[in-house]
Amino acid sequence: DVKVTQSSRYLVKRTGEKVFLECVQDMDHENMFWYRQDPGLGLRLIYFSYDVKMKEKGDIPEGYSVSREKKERFSLILESASTNQTSMYLCASSFRIGGSPLHFGNGTRLTVT
Amino acid sequence: AQSVTQLDSQVPVFEEAPVELRCNYSSSVSVYLFWYVQYPNQGLQLLLKYLSGSTLVESINGFEAEFNKSQTSFHLRKPSVHISDTAEYFCAVRGSGGYQKVTFGTGTKLQVIP
Repeated sequence: DVKVTQSSRYLVKRTGEKVFLECVQDMDHENMFWYRQDPGLGLRLIYFSYDVKMKEKGDIPEGYSVSREKKERFSLILESASTNQTSMYLCASSFRIGGSPLHFGNGTRLTVT
Repeated sequence: AQSVTQLDSQVPVFEEAPVELRCNYSSSVSVYLFWYVQYPNQGLQLLLKYLSGSTLVESINGFEAEFNKSQTSFHLRKPSVHISDTAEYFCAVRGSGGYQKVTFGTGTKLQVIP
């Protein structure tokens, strides 16, 4: 069974801190994604990566960056956390084949105070 | 560009009654369509998907969805819901070309009333 593991379930950070959210998948998936989920807004794509060291901006990349140095690991970085980045962050992975579904981690609930 | 619209943010329904959760999409290319379910405090799980072929697709727990190309819809239905179906349901679209972006709707919370 595919496993997507997000390093933290809950995280509390202060405004201005640099924040790292880590995600690891064990199915050799080429694609990895970071979404944020907010009530009433659904899932919004922040960044995705289709290969090691390759990345594409999603719909809301401002204030975020990503890193993919190894195929199984995809990191989301908040360069200077702000209160409007308080949210649930979901990592997902999939094969590159277009019809392949996404497999999600359980999410990281980030609170910025 | 692609987008997904789920018009109903919440749908209350009595146990054993039928339910339909609506999903409409727009895309300039051919698409793959998905429904995901999210139970409280969990990530999303795939419920069912339409890739090609028969326009009616089914899940193992009694849900079904029908792809309607002319109406650009992919509505989710179940003839008789259970308490355990209480969850949030997301419709998603993915372009069939090389671009791998997956776009989600805003979700529909299904509340099954005993």
